[in-house]
Amino acid sequence: GAGVSQTPSNKVTEKGKYVELRCDPISGHTALYWYRQSLGQGPEFLIYFQGTGAADDSGLPNDRFFAVRPEGSVSTLKIQRTERGDSAVYLCASNARRGANTGELFFGEGSRLTVL
Amino acid sequence: QKEVEQNSGPLSVPEGAIASLNCTYSDRGSQSFFWYRQYSGKSPELIMSIYSNGDKEDGRFTAQLNKASQYVSLLIRDSQPSDSATYLCAGGEYGNKLVFGAGTILRVKS
Repeated sequence: GAGVSQTPSNKVTEKGKYVELRCDPISGHTALYWYRQSLGQGPEFLIYFQGTGAADDSGLPNDRFFAVRPEGSVSTLKIQRTERGDSAVYLCASNARRGANTGELFFGEGSRLTVL
Repeated sequence: QKEVEQNSGPLSVPEGAIASLNCTYSDRGSQSFFWYRQYSGKSPELIMSIYSNGDKEDGRFTAQLNKASQYVSLLIRDSQPSDSATYLCAGGEYGNKLVFGAGTILRVKS
């Protein structure tokens, strides 16, 4: 597609439920990032994929969070046993390059997660 | 802990004035710096990148980087109401993740 696509755009769930958020990056982009943004804050890094592998998952807050990118394109962020503190906008971004300029990220519109 | 600090604002400037946005960072290993603009309810979009000390100009925007002082700034000339948004400063190492500041809210009054 023309841009990074994220689904669902909004997700309301109950505490303790399992949630999956999907990201379809720009075609041909090898790098894919997940960030989380709370109200009034900047995006907080979660995980970065280069191809199929997670190159850096140091931002995942705990083992309830997991992400995959099995074919090097679409990625799914999975959150188990959701907590109210997980409520945020989950942003996906992609980039075509390795090394320099990896900060030139193209963001999707985000998935707003609300945990009741 | 790698940190990027920004004044949250809001910064209010009249239409046609110069808006000056500032950012400091803690990680001396950061080599690349970026300014993203985020409209309310929308995702961030890149407006400027800077990798070397000095100034970089692109249209009405000028980014400035001083690695010795660990300071990055963004100047917006001839500010327009459409520039009203949150401006996010971000820094990172080559081939690595970006660390974002909390953003500065800019309001341009017509």
